[in-house]
Amino acid sequence: GQQLNQSPQSMFIQEGEDVSMNCTSSSIFNTWLWYKQEPGEGPVLLIALYKAGELTSNGRLTAQFGITRKDSFLNISASIPSDVGIYFCAGRSNTGANSKLTFGKGITLSVRP
Amino acid sequence: DTEVTQTPKHLVMGMTNKKSLKCEQHMGHRAMYWYKQKAKKPPELMFVYSYEKLSINESVPSRFSPECPNSSLLNLHLHALQPEDSALYLCASSQGAGLTPEQFFGPGTRLTVL
Repeated sequence: GQQLNQSPQSMFIQEGEDVSMNCTSSSIFNTWLWYKQEPGEGPVLLIALYKAGELTSNGRLTAQFGITRKDSFLNISASIPSDVGIYFCAGRSNTGANSKLTFGKGITLSVRP
Repeated sequence: DTEVTQTPKHLVMGMTNKKSLKCEQHMGHRAMYWYKQKAKKPPELMFVYSYEKLSINESVPSRFSPECPNSSLLNLHLHALQPEDSALYLCASSQGAGLTPEQFFGPGTRLTVL
């Protein structure tokens, strides 16, 4: 089946630093989504990307849809302690009533004050 | 209202119990989803309802029984569960399966099976 690769599993950064995470696949996706999940909560949608090459920002977050449609990255600038959480990428490769999201394994981000 | 709500927040049950998880959304979404999530793992899709009809069942054991009474409500009935079924159960909704892909998740029900 389709897989999305996120690595490393964990990242440790200093408060104020920028961090970049990427998500890659051997398959083409037509939509990319980035979610953040904090302990004890459900995933929260951060950014949605629909077109190859698209670059979208949400506050300190910027995400891009790779031009090959096989990758996406998320950048967090000037990190703060509340950025701590697990960041999942998700992709959708088809449309229709049976379309599903494929999730990456997630990256756990730790921010040192 | 842009929330997906889930009750209960926590549930402890024995292997012979019958319980139900509930999910509600008032965003006018026509697709609703159940996911199972183990610690530090991504959500795993269990069921999809599209326009109140079951459209996807990811080969989930019959001890999990979904129900969609109307377009705003989604239930997951549990019976004779196993300890390995302990997990965070997430509900999500989207405008319509096959339409915009953004899924909005509830906070989850933390299930422990003893």
